[in-house]
Amino acid sequence: GQQLNQSPQSMFIQEGEDVSMNCTSSSIFNTWLWYKQDPGEGPVLLIALYKAGELTSNGRLTAQFGITRKDSFLNISASIPSDVGIYFCAGQKVDSGGSNYKLTFGKGTLLTVNP
Amino acid sequence: GAVVSQHPSRVICKSGTSVKIECRSLDFQATTMFWYRQFPKQSLMLMATSNEGSKATYEQGVEKDKFLINHASLTLSTLTVTSAHPEDSSFYICSATGQGYEQYFGPGTRLTVT
Repeated sequence: GQQLNQSPQSMFIQEGEDVSMNCTSSSIFNTWLWYKQDPGEGPVLLIALYKAGELTSNGRLTAQFGITRKDSFLNISASIPSDVGIYFCAGQKVDSGGSNYKLTFGKGTLLTVNP
Repeated sequence: GAVVSQHPSRVICKSGTSVKIECRSLDFQATTMFWYRQFPKQSLMLMATSNEGSKATYEQGVEKDKFLINHASLTLSTLTVTSAHPEDSSFYICSATGQGYEQYFGPGTRLTVT
């Protein structure tokens, strides 16, 4: 199936540093979402973006929905050890049948924070 | 609110046997449930979408006769992996939507086929 282009694949940073990751797609999405997944668990929603150009914050997290509706970025400021995990972007749009809103996930960014 | 559970959290089965995974919405009625598969160090790949009372819609490349999905009630969907093989070993995750479009994810089920 289709996947989004997410980069970087992995990041190793020091505690306190800021980090940025982004996703691009050849398709337009109605909604962009960012999830965090810890090992052996399901993804947890961090931020949802509903309008092109929208900039939304959730604590130390900031995400933007690109104007073209084909890209999004996530910034984490002042990283802490518990930020460690895999971050996924996801684009959401209605399926061809017009009744279900499906998610397409990026390949993930593995974040390691050194104390 | 919006809690989704999965059972079991881990299962080991022998090759050739079938295994059932349950996905439940605990505090809301799930009109639609989604089943994903995630191989190690890879992303979540949608397998199928199921609406309560209807046949599931499978993504291209997913064998509907091998991965049986039942969504008989507004709070329960099941995925049965039939005639499991070692290559079916994976992390299976369900999600559910209520009245809106946001998907709430379960904690996942680790399937190991020996």
